[in-house]
Amino acid sequence: SAVISQKPSRDICQRGTSLTIQCQVDSQVTMMFWYRQQPGQSLTLIATANQGSEATYESGFVIDKFPISRPNLTFSTLTVSNMSPEDSSIYLCSVSGAKNIQYFGAGTRLSVL
Amino acid sequence: KQEVTQIPAALSVPEGENLVLNCSFTDSAIYNLQWFRQDPGKGLTSLLLIQSSQREQTSGRLNASLDKSSGRSTLYIAASQPGDSATYLCAVSPGSARQLTFGSGTQLTVLP
Repeated sequence: SAVISQKPSRDICQRGTSLTIQCQVDSQVTMMFWYRQQPGQSLTLIATANQGSEATYESGFVIDKFPISRPNLTFSTLTVSNMSPEDSSIYLCSVSGAKNIQYFGAGTRLSVL
Repeated sequence: KQEVTQIPAALSVPEGENLVLNCSFTDSAIYNLQWFRQDPGKGLTSLLLIQSSQREQTSGRLNASLDKSSGRSTLYIAASQPGDSATYLCAVSPGSARQLTFGSGTQLTVLP
């Protein structure tokens, strides 16, 4: 199994500011995934982060709003930029482990005032 | 575009009952299907993964089935317990180590 540490676990931010979420995995993985879970909703994929290349964003998500870094095979960051109350969500990172089981971090609960 | 639907959205049962959660998907070209559990304010815990070539997987009181041709999966929970109360999500993947498409989840409450 893969153990994923995500920081911060929660934050309350002001409108217009930015927050960077960190995701650390205990093993090397090629791809890391970032998801958003809006209140009362299921998970939606934001982007796929490959080490050494630009992240691939899903429809409706853009790099200027959600820049992603992937400096090595065990770490990634997601920044939520110029936040508005509509960005209040849980943000989760995940990786694919042995037997293609997906493992998730505990998530970052973001509230934007 | 793949769409995943879960029915019912919420379910409340007395302790000890057996129950079935349903998941359907529109594109049968999946690589695998995974069932997760999510507790309030927490991340996701993987329960069972079924490869596209498999029909079912079992873990303890949980049994997941997959009918790829009809685009359906079920999660059977035997002898439910209050500790089973959580939101259950199913998700499908189009390929190895690929992203998941999630259903909207079933919120399960098991009453003591």
